[in-house]
Amino acid sequence: DADVTQTPRNRITKTGKRIMLECSQTKGHDRMYWYRQDPGLGLRLIYYSFDVKDINKGEISDGYSVSRQAQAKFSLSLESAIPNQTALYFCATSDPTSGRATDTQYFGPGTRLTVL
Amino acid sequence: GDSVTQMEGPVTLSEEAFLTINCTYTATGYPSLFWYVQYPGEGLQLLLKATKADDKGSNKGFEATYRKETTSFHLEKGSVQVSDSAVYFCALSSLSGTSYGKLTFGQGTILTVHP
Repeated sequence: DADVTQTPRNRITKTGKRIMLECSQTKGHDRMYWYRQDPGLGLRLIYYSFDVKDINKGEISDGYSVSRQAQAKFSLSLESAIPNQTALYFCATSDPTSGRATDTQYFGPGTRLTVL
Repeated sequence: GDSVTQMEGPVTLSEEAFLTINCTYTATGYPSLFWYVQYPGEGLQLLLKATKADDKGSNKGFEATYRKETTSFHLEKGSVQVSDSAVYFCALSSLSGTSYGKLTFGQGTILTVHP
């Protein structure tokens, strides 16, 4: 079974709709992240959480919100979807062990979101 | 702020050709450097990493050396296979202030290998 799972894998929605993307992990990692991927732009960080009580904005958080329900679950919400939020969304986890920024991030399979 | 620049793609090679994908970075201090690979329809997975200057990361025949003097982390493979066709991302993990531990990605390079 995959260590990091995302649901749904594909979603088509309409402008103005609220949508939630979910991420679950069985790796036991404290840190979780949400990214979006757009062609030619690489991955950009939306939100991240270093533990259940810690939520931080990334570089492109406008129009998004998150919820860290438990160590294993981190959800991303689009309160009112718009077409330029059409993208591939990835969840990732990491487990810092050395105190330096060397932790590997482990990615889920992604959710392809289309906003019409 | 931190940034990563990768060579523009797409890159198309014949099987057994030599591969180089250039990556340069701008960062405060001495970040950790990574190469991630994304196979079609999948998420990203770590290919290799290096955590200090002159370190060489290697995996599956791929190598990259952390060059502090040129702020580079170029990916190389001596003989590519069709199964190496994927998107390759260079990334750094910041050590500075509020960005500590967060990854900054390059734009990705699409590699296609033909038989």
